[in-house]
Amino acid sequence: EDQVTQSPEALRLQEGESSSLNCSYTVSGLRGLFWYRQDPGKGPEFLFTLYSAGEEKEKERLKATLTKKESFLHITAPKPEDSATYLCAVTGTASKLTFGTGTRLQVTL
Amino acid sequence: ETGVTQTPRHLVMGMTNKKSLKCEQHLGHNAMYWYKQSAKKPLELMFVYNFKEQTENNSVPSRFSPECPNSSHLFLHLHTLQPEDSALYLCASSQDLVSTFGSGTRLTVV
Repeated sequence: EDQVTQSPEALRLQEGESSSLNCSYTVSGLRGLFWYRQDPGKGPEFLFTLYSAGEEKEKERLKATLTKKESFLHITAPKPEDSATYLCAVTGTASKLTFGTGTRLQVTL
Repeated sequence: ETGVTQTPRHLVMGMTNKKSLKCEQHLGHNAMYWYKQSAKKPLELMFVYNFKEQTENNSVPSRFSPECPNSSHLFLHLHTLQPEDSALYLCASSQDLVSTFGSGTRLTVV
């Protein structure tokens, strides 16, 4: 059975204080690892797909990396508008998304 | 309208009521999904439809009944729910691996 574990559960950063979120996974036949952002009262919003170990993707202050066992979402010089819950998910040979419980990020001034 | 639209945004229902959640996607995707999101739990996949055919039912109780009349519309019919069914119900659609989610229906069962 595919599994995703995210840490930390919650993270509080000051504006400009860089950090990383972790996503550890086990999956049969990885087809893709996904990062989503979810704001309160809204559905998840797609950020990145990573397909194989060593791959990296960037978008503004966010950078996602992938190894054979985990993925990191690096946040560089975050701003208050980056506050959200960040969800990690994988899909494998079963072709269905398995999500982690997310990391709640709060960025303060 | 673009994307995935869900209605209603909020719903309060008694345990003996019957209600339906609606989802519409304007992306031309072939697959549609229902997920349940409860506090401190991962998103739980409930149902999957590919080209209007149900391809997965993740051991969901029969008080939840999905309907997919065409590839753009998805319904979730609810009846005799329990308080533990209170959650955010999310609809999603996909063409390849990436899913696009709606904003969800916040359901409260009283």
